[in-house]
Amino acid sequence: EVQLVQSGAEVKKPGESLKISCKGSGYRFTSYWIGWVRQMPGKGLEWMGVIYPGDSDTRYNPSFRGQVTISADKSITTAYLQWSSLKASDTAMYYCAAHNSGWYGGPFDHWGQGTLVTVSS
Amino acid sequence: EIVLTQSPGTLSLSPGERATLSCRASQSVSSSYFAWYQQKPGQAPRLLIYGASSRATGVPDRFSGSGSGTDFTLTISRLEPEDFAVYYCQQCDSSPPTFGQGTKVEI
Repeated sequence: EVQLVQSGAEVKKPGESLKISCKGSGYRFTSYWIGWVRQMPGKGLEWMGVIYPGDSDTRYNPSFRGQVTISADKSITTAYLQWSSLKASDTAMYYCAAHNSGWYGGPFDHWGQGTLVTVSS
Repeated sequence: EIVLTQSPGTLSLSPGERATLSCRASQSVSSSYFAWYQQKPGQAPRLLIYGASSRATGVPDRFSGSGSGTDFTLTISRLEPEDFAVYYCQQCDSSPPTFGQGTKVEI
């Protein structure tokens, strides 16, 4: 069974850095695209980007490129989403999700439980 | 990027009734790359439909998807209490993949 388990909720101040994680299990980690979806409070879903751990091919939504970094460590089957300098507007729930469609943009059929990030002074 | 507009914003129905949710794309989308998700409060989204009309694993057959080009529909034939949730459409045909703003199905 495919499982994605995310790290816990975070409370940070503006300007701080942060790295959240998503551990995959129950499948061949290097053969699935794994990515991140943002959901701001009371709002809809936004596709941020994905990585293919097999070769580290990474694709970003232009709206998020330069704002976050997506990475993966296949030795520990874990994907990451990181910020170097958080803003209050980064406050949101972040979901990791995975698929093994041939096209990187394919629909996500497996989801993590979400990590709530709160940025407040 | 392709903009997806869902209607209605909220659908007020009773258990046993039929729900019809619409999603219109700002430009043509390949049916192979169109999906629907369900999200209940406090939960992660769940893939319901992919390829516009194929049900994901474990999805009851009261859920069906149809459509092509710029107009897609999710139908729930007879609402069960657990179906009251927010539903999102997604296109994965063009980069970046985009979601609609959601339709809330409420009692």
